[in-house]
Amino acid sequence: DAKTTQPNSMESNEEEPVHLPCNHSTISGTDYIHWYRQLPSQGPEYVIHGLTSNVNNRMASLAIAEDRKSSTLILHRATLRDAAVYYCILHPNFGNEKLTFGTGTRLTIIP
Amino acid sequence: GAVVSQHPSRVICKSGTSVKIECRSLDFQATTMFWYRQFPKQSLMLMATSNEGSKATYEQGVEKDKFLINHASLTLSTLTVTSAHPEDSSFYICSARDRANSGANVLTFGAGSRLTVL
Repeated sequence: DAKTTQPNSMESNEEEPVHLPCNHSTISGTDYIHWYRQLPSQGPEYVIHGLTSNVNNRMASLAIAEDRKSSTLILHRATLRDAAVYYCILHPNFGNEKLTFGTGTRLTIIP
Repeated sequence: GAVVSQHPSRVICKSGTSVKIECRSLDFQATTMFWYRQFPKQSLMLMATSNEGSKATYEQGVEKDKFLINHASLTLSTLTVTSAHPEDSSFYICSARDRANSGANVLTFGAGSRLTVL
């Protein structure tokens, strides 16, 4: 599996944008970039995914570098409920491939 | 959206007993479910891949005779921790992929089951 690298932790003030980086220099052409987050004492939840183009949904935006070796998850206006561990995962968009979690980024929101 | 239900959410048992955790896909069919384990302050570790109608595929180092997985229908997979010991205390999480929406390859996770073995 291609590996991703994320900062262990980040802090952000409430109601400000948050940019969570992820490096994936060994990404293959068939790998999609997936983001999941895990709130305390809960299972992970899907946030967003993309291949080459930037993506937006109601939760967040995903900015993907032109060479696809890095990406950034953008929370446009962080709230206290966004405090979680965010996982950046490379995953093929077909078949029943398992999802392998790295250590993720623990995001702390400061009121 | 797709919902995965796990039961029980918390369970406490005595050492040596067996515990069964259920994972149900409520509004979709799942040919494949995944079971993870998470220790405090650590990331999720995949234990096994559960396939409907066939034997589960276990990750290296996971004892298949200790962690019994049954996936008898398209909406239910169970994980049984047999002869549980305190070191089996952990947060167990299942996930499933919506077969009808498999093109997106997005997993839906259950809320997790916290097992404490005394």
